[in-house]
Amino acid sequence: RKEVEQDPGPFNVPEGATVAFNCTYSNSASQSFFWYRQDCRKEPKLLMSVYSSGNEDGRFTAQLNRASQYISLLIRDSKLSDSATYLCVVNDSNYQLIWGAGTKLIIKP
Amino acid sequence: EPEVTQTPSHQVTQMGQEVILRCVPISNHLYFYWYRQILGQKVEFLVSFYNNEISEKSEIFDDQFSVERPDGSNFTLKIRSTKLEDSAMYFCASSVGGWTGELFFGEGSRLTVL
Repeated sequence: RKEVEQDPGPFNVPEGATVAFNCTYSNSASQSFFWYRQDCRKEPKLLMSVYSSGNEDGRFTAQLNRASQYISLLIRDSKLSDSATYLCVVNDSNYQLIWGAGTKLIIKP
Repeated sequence: EPEVTQTPSHQVTQMGQEVILRCVPISNHLYFYWYRQILGQKVEFLVSFYNNEISEKSEIFDDQFSVERPDGSNFTLKIRSTKLEDSAMYFCASSVGGWTGELFFGEGSRLTVL
């Protein structure tokens, strides 16, 4: 069974703090990995792709751990505008995208 | 910045009626998708479309659903006889390649079936 699992949260985090959450995937042959962001009642938007070597985009850092089959997203110096649901997406060996249910993040002033 | 556009933004219909949701993907993209999201639930894949034919579809995409690219720009989703459980947000997306997870989504069409 193809599975992508995420802690639904919510993660309640004070502004300026660092927050991290993980996503586990079951198919070890998965090819590529992505984090999307979805604001309430809006469309998902690609936040970042996750490369084998990890990647960083400003305050956001994504890591891939193939041995343990998870990806992570770290947000530093969190802003109120970071409040959203973060969706983990895995492109499996058949090039099908498997979507996680999302982790809700609430940044509090 | 190019974007995926969808119409209508909200449609209310009676159970059993036909509904057509429209999408204009980004012009140089070759792969098109429909997803749906029931309120409070996860994003669910419906169908992908490439080279004027369906490339993948999920078990949700039964005989009540069909897709079409009638004129080279629009990409439509038709629900032949709507059910209450079809009430959801329907998102259209497009991508340059079919192997990528880098999808660009439209703002969605909210369908309410009464």
